[in-house]
Amino acid sequence: NAGVMQNPRHLVRRRGQEARLRCSPMKGHSHVYWYRQLPEEGLKFMVYLQKENIIDESGMPKERFSAEFPKEGPSILRIQQVVRGDSAAYFCASSPRDSTNEKLFFGSGTQLSVL
Amino acid sequence: GQQLNQSPQSMFIQEGEDVSMNCTSSSIFNTWLWYKQEPGEGPVLLIALYKAGELTSNGRLTAQFGITRKDSFLNISASIPSDVGIYFCAGPYGGATNKLIFGTGTLLAVQP
Repeated sequence: NAGVMQNPRHLVRRRGQEARLRCSPMKGHSHVYWYRQLPEEGLKFMVYLQKENIIDESGMPKERFSAEFPKEGPSILRIQQVVRGDSAAYFCASSPRDSTNEKLFFGSGTQLSVL
Repeated sequence: GQQLNQSPQSMFIQEGEDVSMNCTSSSIFNTWLWYKQEPGEGPVLLIALYKAGELTSNGRLTAQFGITRKDSFLNISASIPSDVGIYFCAGPYGGATNKLIFGTGTLLAVQP
């Protein structure tokens, strides 16, 4: 039973390039959450998606960041024109439904480094 | 906004010692979660608490949901080297969804 799969594990981009981070939720999970973790900090919520719907993007920066969870395929977090401050670990989590009693399962993350 | 403060920030202990850490909030939570994060990995859920006053164990780990619903405690008994990691408390915020706010973390180092 595969867990939450994220790829790539490490991504290096130069300033101004685009970064695409992928997340495949656990089998049977239709709810995906993206979090960002800066060095020596806790995780910060970015966006919550269900299939083909963005439910809550209150943690997403207003510009350059977007997320999608298509009907088929993984969820994608896209960062356009990356800057050094985007360097962080990006974690995806999934759950079978939206409930505060439902446990979130996290992937191993994508470490983004912007040169 | 809501904040979760953890203390201590870091702990350096000898193998076999017991460990206590806590998490306090500026507002009430209805669920408290404790996660462990190892280097280069995502957080792994250790214990979930759903009721004020609840005391729950998972092996050598015991967590309590504070009566005021503004704090939670995690204890680790007889620590071993593989307990090393960062321990985060977390709770859902902003309504009934599973959107979590994470604490500032407690780094635990265990010397064999």
